[in-house]
Amino acid sequence: DQQVKQNSPSLSVQEGRISILNCDYTNSMFDYFLWYKKYPAEGPTFLISISSIKDKNEDGRFTVFLNKSAKHLSLHIVPSQPGDSAVYFCAASGVGETSGSRLTFGEGTQLTVNP
Amino acid sequence: DAGVIQSPRHEVTEMGQEVTLRCKPISGHNSLFWYRQTMMRGLELLIYFNNNVPIDDSGMPEDRFSAKMPNASFSTLKIQPSEPRDSAVYFCASSLGVLGRRYGYTFGSGTRLTVV
Repeated sequence: DQQVKQNSPSLSVQEGRISILNCDYTNSMFDYFLWYKKYPAEGPTFLISISSIKDKNEDGRFTVFLNKSAKHLSLHIVPSQPGDSAVYFCAASGVGETSGSRLTFGEGTQLTVNP
Repeated sequence: DAGVIQSPRHEVTEMGQEVTLRCKPISGHNSLFWYRQTMMRGLELLIYFNNNVPIDDSGMPEDRFSAKMPNASFSTLKIQPSEPRDSAVYFCASSLGVLGRRYGYTFGSGTRLTVV
């Protein structure tokens, strides 16, 4: 049961343009959503998060949008830079005594930013 | 802080052998997670500990997998016997309690396991 899905395995954009990475989820009990970035041979690193009570969170070039009715979130990177080329993972956390800090990850999307 | 430290970085072993992966979490973090990354399933949670106690091991594939956390600064993931389908990158991560669900975990660099 894949509760967090990233349907695009890869995305290629030109430097300076916008990158939009998408993520869908099925569990309405998730209360936080996070994006991680992963370079080859490194562990994932936290990028940005959003609470389920918000619909937008911005941090510099990175903005995450949440559409709860559609159970969909997206990460926008503007402007895209070659150094942004990495695998991006969407993740979600649920509520509950034993699941409070557990993160469920999507499959990841490989972003390539071409100079 | 040196971050989450995993060892070894790479492990190649023969089918049927025992494999032990090691993890040192960030000092002060009380939650520790073991994840496995594969192309097909992305990052899967295998098990997580809170204050050294296993909380959820429902992601452990089968009895061949076991994990321990004898103290706050060390954890192991053991596979015995190993099989080729266990080949993957195994990540350890740590966080400070429930803050991890908002501010994220800190991941180690991973152990790339190859079972031949």
